[in-house]
Amino acid sequence: EVQLVESGGGFVKPGGSLRLSCVVSGFTFSDAWMSWVRQAPGKGLEWVGRIKSKTDGGSTDYTAPVKGRYTISRDDSKNTMYLQMNSLKIEDTAVYYCTTLNAIPRPDYWGQGTLVTVSS
Amino acid sequence: DVVLTQSPLSLPVTLGQPASISCRSSQSLVYSDGDIYLSWFHQRPGQSPRRLIYKVSNRDSGVPDRFSGSGSGTDFTLKISRVEAEDVGVYYCMQATHWPLYTFGQGTKLEIK
Repeated sequence: EVQLVESGGGFVKPGGSLRLSCVVSGFTFSDAWMSWVRQAPGKGLEWVGRIKSKTDGGSTDYTAPVKGRYTISRDDSKNTMYLQMNSLKIEDTAVYYCTTLNAIPRPDYWGQGTLVTVSS
Repeated sequence: DVVLTQSPLSLPVTLGQPASISCRSSQSLVYSDGDIYLSWFHQRPGQSPRRLIYKVSNRDSGVPDRFSGSGSGTDFTLKISRVEAEDVGVYYCMQATHWPLYTFGQGTKLEIK
């Protein structure tokens, strides 16, 4: 059974930091390009960023609003992806989903999401 | 940046009736390899999104055949031939052609009349 389990969400003040984790099981994590997608309360989906597999270079890309503040990394030995979020803003408040977000003929998987609340 | 515009944003439908959602892109979604990386997702209330369709018209495993995707260039459509109660929720299109940046449409909320 495939599972993507996010953790690390919580309440943080503006300017603060938080690190999210996504532990994967049930498929070959090391081969997967992984993304974070967020959803502000009552709003739509927003792609946050992606990390390629190490065999494809392991590079990362980010949407403009988080570039320079967020960092995605992975530890294939632990089947885990991370999202380090710094200089958090109120508008970063959202449920953050871990996902394969495949656009190609490969199965697509999503976690249950973890809520990040940025408030003073 | 590529913008995806969905319409309508709200879609009340009677059970058993068809439904159609449009997704229009500000730029062509034809990639250099000739493929179009346009996907559709469904998010039920309180749940994570689930991919229904990839590359315009390919249904994911387990997706009922009442769902179909079509389109080319900049105009795409998701059709449900006969809406069932489990189809309620929000539908999103997403482009991955103009990577490395992916883009979602703003979502279409389907509800039962």
